[in-house]
Amino acid sequence: EVQLVESGGDLVQPGGSLRLSCAASGFTFSDYAMSWVRQPPGKGLEWVSAISGSGDRTFYTDSVKGRFTISRDNSKNTLYLQMNSLTAEDTAIYNCAKGVNPSHPYYFDNWGQGTLATVSS
Amino acid sequence: EVVLTQSPATLSLSPGERATLFCRASQSVDRYLIWYQQKPGQAPRLLIYDTSNRATGVPARFSGSGSGTDFNLTISSLEPEDFAVYYCQQRLKWPPLTFGGGTKVEIK
Repeated sequence: EVQLVESGGDLVQPGGSLRLSCAASGFTFSDYAMSWVRQPPGKGLEWVSAISGSGDRTFYTDSVKGRFTISRDNSKNTLYLQMNSLTAEDTAIYNCAKGVNPSHPYYFDNWGQGTLATVSS
Repeated sequence: EVVLTQSPATLSLSPGERATLFCRASQSVDRYLIWYQQKPGQAPRLLIYDTSNRATGVPARFSGSGSGTDFNLTISSLEPEDFAVYYCQQRLKWPPLTFGGGTKVEIK
């Protein structure tokens, strides 16, 4: 059974940083691209970033480019999202999501329950 | 960026009724349109990929159709567990992958 368990969400002040983690199990982690998708409380879904299975290619939505960095450690079956220069607009539940292809995320057949990042003074 | 517009925002129906949800893309996404279901407090669940392919374990009452810019998700006869929010997503032109704003299917 595929399991994705996020952690690292917290309350942080504007301009601060957070590092999110997603521990994966139940599949060959390095065989699949992974993404972060966020959802502000009570709102819709927004794709944030993706990384290929090997980790050699990364992709970002424009609003986080230069502030967020996605990475993965295939030896630990873990996905990361380093978030810097946070603003209130980054407040959301952050879900990690498993893609269906090694190179590109395309769409998501498994999702974690998410971790809440709140940016507020 | 491909903008996906879902309608209606809310659909009020009774169990046993047929539900038809719409997703319109701002430009053609060919047949690369995906549907998810999300229940309160839960992560999204993949329902349909590439317009009409049901994901593993998805009941046959869920079906998808369309191409280009206009797509439908149909639930042939609503079961109590189908009341949820449904999102469409396109995968043709990215980054970014984009989602629609969602349709809430609520009990009438």
